[in-house]
Amino acid sequence: DVKVTQSSRYLVKRTGEKVFLECVQDMDHENMFWYRQDPGLGLRLIYFSYDVKMKEKGDIPEGYSVSREKKERFSLILESASTNQTSMYLCASSLAGQGGTGNTIYFGEGSWLTVV
Amino acid sequence: GQNIDQPTEMTATEGAIVQINCTYQTSGFNGLFWYQQHAGEAPTFLSYNVLDGLEEKGRFSSFLSRSKGYSYLLLKELQMKDSASYLCAVTDSNYQLIWGAGTKLIIKP
Repeated sequence: DVKVTQSSRYLVKRTGEKVFLECVQDMDHENMFWYRQDPGLGLRLIYFSYDVKMKEKGDIPEGYSVSREKKERFSLILESASTNQTSMYLCASSLAGQGGTGNTIYFGEGSWLTVV
Repeated sequence: GQNIDQPTEMTATEGAIVQINCTYQTSGFNGLFWYQQHAGEAPTFLSYNVLDGLEEKGRFSSFLSRSKGYSYLLLKELQMKDSASYLCAVTDSNYQLIWGAGTKLIIKP
């Protein structure tokens, strides 16, 4: 079974802190994604990556950056956390594309971030 | 713009059948996914449709009409564990996934 593991399930950070959210997948997938999910807004794509050291902005990249130094690992960085970044963050991976060829996206369990 | 519409919330009775609709307006179409998400958990894959028609998988079926920009997820013999949110997502012409906001399904005994 595909496993996508997010390092932290629940975090509480102070405004202005730097936050790292780590994600590791064990299926040798090329593609990895970071989403945030807020009530009533659905899943919103922050960044994605199709290859090592490669990154593409999603719909809401402002205030975030990412790093993909190894194929299996994709990190989301909040350089200076703000209260409007309080949310659930979901990491995901897929074999190719975002599912356009029917390749399923697999999600991690999510990281609940609260910024106070 | 690109848009996916689903009802926000639905209620059904244990043992019954429920149909969750999804309409979409996207730049092209390369497939439609349904995911299930229990509260506090990650979404999990349910079904994928790229051609018109009905795909059946046990108690769950998914239907697609590309000409109408419409899909539904049909859940039969509802169980309490089916209480969850159901997410519809469409892949557009650039193979970008567009997500609906999800439908929260409440099952009552």
